[in-house]
Amino acid sequence: DTAVSQTPKYLVTQMGNDKSIKCEQNLGHDTMYWYKQDSKKFLKIMFSYNNKELIINETVPNRFSPKSPDKAHLNLHINSLELGDSAVYFCASSIGQVPRGEQFFGPGTRLTVL
Amino acid sequence: SQQGEEDPQALSIQEGENATMNCSYKTSINNLQWYRQNSGRGLVHLILIRSNEREKHSGRLRVTLDTSKKSSSLLITASRAADTASYFCATDWDQGAQKLVFGQGTRLTINP
Repeated sequence: DTAVSQTPKYLVTQMGNDKSIKCEQNLGHDTMYWYKQDSKKFLKIMFSYNNKELIINETVPNRFSPKSPDKAHLNLHINSLELGDSAVYFCASSIGQVPRGEQFFGPGTRLTVL
Repeated sequence: SQQGEEDPQALSIQEGENATMNCSYKTSINNLQWYRQNSGRGLVHLILIRSNEREKHSGRLRVTLDTSKKSSSLLITASRAADTASYFCATDWDQGAQKLVFGQGTRLTINP
């Protein structure tokens, strides 16, 4: 009965590789988000989608490309991975857009770039 | 920057004591939210307080909001070992983009 799920949970890869993280929510929400949490626990919004439409693109390098095939899924593809991309990436969803209410977070994907 | 700040960065108390964490922010807001993050897990929503509210309760949690000082506090009463986690405040901006801005969190440790 997981509300927001992400795969994989851990991702270890070499610099320069391309990787994807998948996110699915079964809450019926129409807004989904990607966040990046760095080693100092600083959590920052990367993207948000509302009904498959991009709402926020927070000056993220264009190596990062989100894709929302439907409103229950928001995937994140990262090209040419760099050392600085190492972080925990969280997917989240909410009913409607900020500031309407709480966000539900997935368990996170810990990305390590070697 | 809209970035919020939590204070203290880390707090260690004995089980049964009360824990108070503070959050300051820089812009006018619609809502302020508090989230908990257990180690290795995602964030869990605790409570949302609107800009026209001053205090809100949920179980052992009490949140206050002072919009004149742009600050909020989270009080956890009668703490338990299971309350050990990081606590984050998150704000929106009533004039800006539709996003939440999180502080860096307070790491709370409850000692048995």
